[in-house]
Amino acid sequence: DTAVSQTPKYLVTQMGNDKSIKCEQNLGHDTMYWYKQDSKKFLKIMFSYNNKELIINETVPNRFSPKSPDKAHLNLHINSLELGDSAVYFCASSRTRDSNSPLHFGNGTRLTVT
Amino acid sequence: AQSVTQLGSHVSVSEGALVLLRCNYSSSVPPYLFWYVQYPNQGLQLLLKYTSAATLVKGINGFEAEFKKSETSFHLTKPSAHMSDAAEYFCAVSDFGDTGRRALTFGSGTRLQVQP
Repeated sequence: DTAVSQTPKYLVTQMGNDKSIKCEQNLGHDTMYWYKQDSKKFLKIMFSYNNKELIINETVPNRFSPKSPDKAHLNLHINSLELGDSAVYFCASSRTRDSNSPLHFGNGTRLTVT
Repeated sequence: AQSVTQLGSHVSVSEGALVLLRCNYSSSVPPYLFWYVQYPNQGLQLLLKYTSAATLVKGINGFEAEFKKSETSFHLTKPSAHMSDAAEYFCAVSDFGDTGRRALTFGSGTRLQVQP
């Protein structure tokens, strides 16, 4: 009965590789997000989709490409991985895109680039 | 853009003592404010939120927070700490930009340790 699930939980890869992280929510929410949490626990928004439409696209290298096949799924593909991409990536969803709609987070994907 | 500052990256209290985690925000318009908790190796969970209905907000696990506009603060409190409260706590403020997009801005987090 997991609400927001993301896979894999851990991802270890070498520089230059391409990898994907998948996210699915079964809450019926309209809006989904990708956040990046660095080693100091700082959380930064990367992307947001509302009903499959990209609504937030922060200053993120274009090596990062989100894809939302339907409103229950938001995947993140990363090309040419770099050491600095090592972080924990969190998927989240909210019922609507309204500012007072709380976020529901997945358990994160810890990406380590060697 | 709005921002939020959490004073104290680490707070340590004894079991049964008062918990006080500080959060100050900056905003040119009335904000929406949130507190989230993150347990080790997990995602964030909502503790409580302020959306202008009442200045004192009660959340889960006995936590509450008071919105003080004059002090631009939204501090989180709990009367009596429990060992299970040990976690990372994040204050967050909503940010509704000119383009109509929405982004939640998080503070840098406060790690709460509870000593037996």
